[in-house]
Amino acid sequence: AQKITQTQPGMFVQEKEAVTLDCTYDTSDQSYGLFWYKQPSSGEMIFLIYQGSYDEQNATEGRYSLNFQKARKSANLVISASQLGDSAMYFCAMREVGGAQKLVFGQGTRLTINP
Amino acid sequence: ETGVTQTPRHLVMGMTNKKSLKCEQHLGHNAMYWYKQSAKKPLELMFVYNFKEQTENNSVPSRFSPECPNSSHLFLHLHTLQPEDSALYLCASSPGRGLGETQYFGPGTRLLVL
Repeated sequence: AQKITQTQPGMFVQEKEAVTLDCTYDTSDQSYGLFWYKQPSSGEMIFLIYQGSYDEQNATEGRYSLNFQKARKSANLVISASQLGDSAMYFCAMREVGGAQKLVFGQGTRLTINP
Repeated sequence: ETGVTQTPRHLVMGMTNKKSLKCEQHLGHNAMYWYKQSAKKPLELMFVYNFKEQTENNSVPSRFSPECPNSSHLFLHLHTLQPEDSALYLCASSPGRGLGETQYFGPGTRLLVL
């Protein structure tokens, strides 16, 4: 079974609109961490935001926020006021306390921001 | 230089060649990683090093041979590769083993095996 599922292969959004990228995960661990990364066409994976399983508040970093719904096992990334430079692949990843240091990634969502 | 650097950025090699990928991190981290990103597949962890010691090998074929001479440098030695090994190889580093510690990635090496 897939540990990380990103159901949106591609999304198209108008500039300045907010966008939500979906991520659901599967784990039996009580302690785990969830990460979102951005990968522009250049290839580098850029860290965006982190949410720990015991964090009660949703994580926020500038225009990025993570909508964490533990009971539903979802960790959606919300980008407010999208910009043209946000066009990229976005990956959700999870690290489990029982998974050593392995980050397990989803298939990714390709986000395109239209002017 | 800052962050994580990788060289070369692009590499084309034949199946009988031997080549090496280099990764260097300037973040003072103690853990380093190799990942493989193939087309239409999720990013896959290959190897993990902590304080120069290999702590994880994710069932990687022996034609890939990692080397970590110190906490700042990581190499991936390649020999007798197959065309299906063509992929983006990403190096990452993190401060240590903590659950919430972010892994910081380099720009990757795009490898094409002919």
